[in-house]
Amino acid sequence: DQQVKQNSPSLSVQEGRISILNCDYTNSMFDYFLWYKKYPAEGPTFLISISSIKDKNEDGRFTVFLNKSAKHLSLHIVPSQPGDSAVYFCAASDTGGGSNYKLTFGKGTLLTVNP
Amino acid sequence: GAGVSQSPSNKVTEKGKDVELRCDPISGHTALYWYRQSLGQGLEFLIYFQGNSAPDKSGLPSDRFSAERTGGSVSTLTIQRTQQEDSAVYLCASSLDRGLDIQYFGAGTRLSVL
Repeated sequence: DQQVKQNSPSLSVQEGRISILNCDYTNSMFDYFLWYKKYPAEGPTFLISISSIKDKNEDGRFTVFLNKSAKHLSLHIVPSQPGDSAVYFCAASDTGGGSNYKLTFGKGTLLTVNP
Repeated sequence: GAGVSQSPSNKVTEKGKDVELRCDPISGHTALYWYRQSLGQGLEFLIYFQGNSAPDKSGLPSDRFSAERTGGSVSTLTIQRTQQEDSAVYLCASSLDRGLDIQYFGAGTRLSVL
């Protein structure tokens, strides 16, 4: 049973446009969310996170939005650049459960930014 | 400084053989994690080490899987009597402490069981 779902395996956007990557979760105990980016033959790297006490977190071109009632979060990249082409993983944690180090990952979305 | 280092980067083995995968965490990081990514799947938590505390082994899929961390640094993941379904990329990560500290990942070991 997948608790974190990224329903779009791939997304293609034009350079300079907005990329929107979506993530849904089913476990209502999740209260901390992260996005990781992964290039081929490399390990995932942390991109941005958000706590459930907020509904938006911004870092440069990257913004994560959280809709707790819908159990949905999204990552916006504006403007998209060819170097953003990578697999993006959504991850979630239950920080109150004593195992807040345990991340549950989605399957990832392959983003391709075309020049 | 150096990141998380994993070896080997690729491992091909025959069904039934044992394999050992190694992880060198970032110096000074007390927490170490192992994950597995099977084809088309997300990362699956396997095991967590934090300092001298007992590891959280709740993610290990069977008793053929074990891991140890010597001296609070290098970790080895061992898979005994490998099966074809063990084929995956095994990723190691480390963090400064625990909890919400950022996890830094190695490039992984791609294991292929023939």
